[in-house]
Amino acid sequence: SQQGEEDPQALSIQEGENATMNCSYKTSINNLQWYRQNSGRGLVHLILIRSNEREKHSGRLRVTLDTSKKSSSLLITASRAADTASYFCATVPIQGAQKLVFGQGTRLTINP
Amino acid sequence: DAGVIQSPRHEVTEMGQEVTLRCKPISGHNSLFWYRQTMMRGLELLIYFNNNVPIDDSGMPEDRFSAKMPNASFSTLKIQPSEPRDSAVYFCASSLNPVEQFFGPGTRLTVL
Repeated sequence: SQQGEEDPQALSIQEGENATMNCSYKTSINNLQWYRQNSGRGLVHLILIRSNEREKHSGRLRVTLDTSKKSSSLLITASRAADTASYFCATVPIQGAQKLVFGQGTRLTINP
Repeated sequence: DAGVIQSPRHEVTEMGQEVTLRCKPISGHNSLFWYRQTMMRGLELLIYFNNNVPIDDSGMPEDRFSAKMPNASFSTLKIQPSEPRDSAVYFCASSLNPVEQFFGPGTRLTVL
């Protein structure tokens, strides 16, 4: 079964607004990663947060991790039309060091 | 580096035919992953190799699916015989460390 569950399944906002996507998971993890997938393309790694970290930044991306709630959020600030894509969280279980378990993804649409 | 290379990009075949998907990982990477993506089931890990050795094939749907990695620069995923429910996008990914995976562009398989 899928480890990660993204929320919402779809999000549509205006360019310049912030976009927040959430991910919940079920088992203990080594780390959690976020990937982006443009339509018809492969996934691209965005950011990784380890289980002992609570927040991480990369450019306009901010990721938080709450291991007590088994949840993570991805915030994209000052969104751009080019951010339109599907975003997936992927967890690495403590057992199974290289095995990524993906959620169903959030489809983000940025309206110009 | 050219990134992960997959061929063919599109494959249309008839039920019962054998299908072979090919992947060339990024040079120097020691892990290779095969995923399948469908609307209904999302992104599923089928099998992964480490140093050319299959580590986890628990995601392979059934005996009709097989994967090989004869050397560090080449892997195949074979479906024999193919069925309409195998229609999906198949991704290959490679990594050097248990952190970031690099995805290929995918093979869109349609089984009629």
